[in-house]
Order: sequence, then C-alpha cells, then structure tokens
Amino acid sequence: SQQGEEDPQALSIQEGENATMNCSYKTSINNLQWYRQNSGRGLVHLILIRSNEREKHSGRLRVTLDTSKKSSSLLITASRAADTASYFCARKTQGGSEKLVFGKGTKLTVNP
Amino acid sequence: DAGVTQSPTHLIKTRGQHVTLRCSPISGHKSVSWYQQVLGQGPQFIFQYYEKEERGRGNFPDRFSARQFPNYSSELNVNALLLGDSALYLCASSLVGVNGYTFGSGTRLTVV
Repeated sequence: SQQGEEDPQALSIQEGENATMNCSYKTSINNLQWYRQNSGRGLVHLILIRSNEREKHSGRLRVTLDTSKKSSSLLITASRAADTASYFCARKTQGGSEKLVFGKGTKLTVNP
Repeated sequence: DAGVTQSPTHLIKTRGQHVTLRCSPISGHKSVSWYQQVLGQGPQFIFQYYEKEERGRGNFPDRFSARQFPNYSSELNVNALLLGDSALYLCASSLVGVNGYTFGSGTRLTVV
C-alpha cells in the first residue's frame, strides 16, 4: 500500500497563476523528492529536499518540508500550459534500500 | 548521454504467459530499481538491484523476479500473468545515495 497522500487529487488553474500541491507522509524520511509525469509516461525528477532542509528552490519551483508535521509542499509559480501533468511526491525512507514510496499524485491542468 | 532505456515500449500478453522487460541504466549508474504503476495510482516499488545484488524487494508475489547483469542492465520477469498485472512498468537508475532517480519511459503491459 502507498503511504501518505498528495492533496489535492486534481487542480485546475489558469496560465500565470500559482499552483500549490501538498504531500503528507507517515514515517521518518531520509529525503523527499518531487516528480512530474506527462500522460502516463516516465517520471521526471524535479527536486529533492533532505530531511534537514526546510526549503529549496529550482527555477519556478519551490519546495518546503516540515518534518514535525510530516508534510511537504510544491509551489509552481507563474504556471504555463506545459506544466500540465501529474505530480508525485516520493519519500526515501531511512535504511539501506533505495526504495521510494510514492503517493497517488496530483493531476494539474493549466488552462491557456 | 543516453537516458534510461526500456524495452519494449508496449506489450500485450495473455493470462498465464510469461513476460521479460528490459532496462539499460544511465552510463555509470550501478543501481537499478523497478516500479509498477497501475492506472490512476502512483508507482509501487518492486525491486532494487545494486552491483548485481538484490538490495530491496517490495510487496509483490514470487511470480515477479529480476536480475542485474555485469553491465548493470536489468531484466524484470513476471510469470503466470494475471489481468491485474496490466500496468506501466518503470525502471529507474541512480548513483546510490546521491541525488534523485532517472526514470525510463516505461513499458506498458496489457494482459488480456
């Protein structure tokens, strides 16, 4: 079973608006990663935030991590139609395995 | 530099048959992981291999097996296919303990 959830499950916005997606999890993490997936194809790595970090930026992306609340958020600023995709958070748990635990994702639609 | 390549891209099999999916990691990446993604869900971890040894296994039946070759490419084998095995199978490679994962475009398996 998958641990944690993304919220909302679906989000529809206009081009130029900001999009915020949230992720909650249940167990301790080593790091948390965000991925984008277009039309059921391969996942593209967006950003990784380590458990001792609180915020990270990459271009129009901003990720925050609150380990006390076991939650993370992904903010996409000035969205574009090309940002339309499903976004997943994935937790790498502590331990030797490279296993990632994914949520169900947020389906983002950016309308032109 | 080529990304993670998976073959075939699409596959249709009949219940009870066997399937082999193949993955070539990014050059220099010694870790390969396999994920199953059912429609509408996030990817679920199946296996991780590093230096030809199994380092992690998800909650999948023994019908699922994998191996990694000396050149770090990998195969995922599924025996006695069930309708429920229909999914997108994703391969990811990484430099262990460094950054995020690079995913291939996946193999879409349909079991009829």
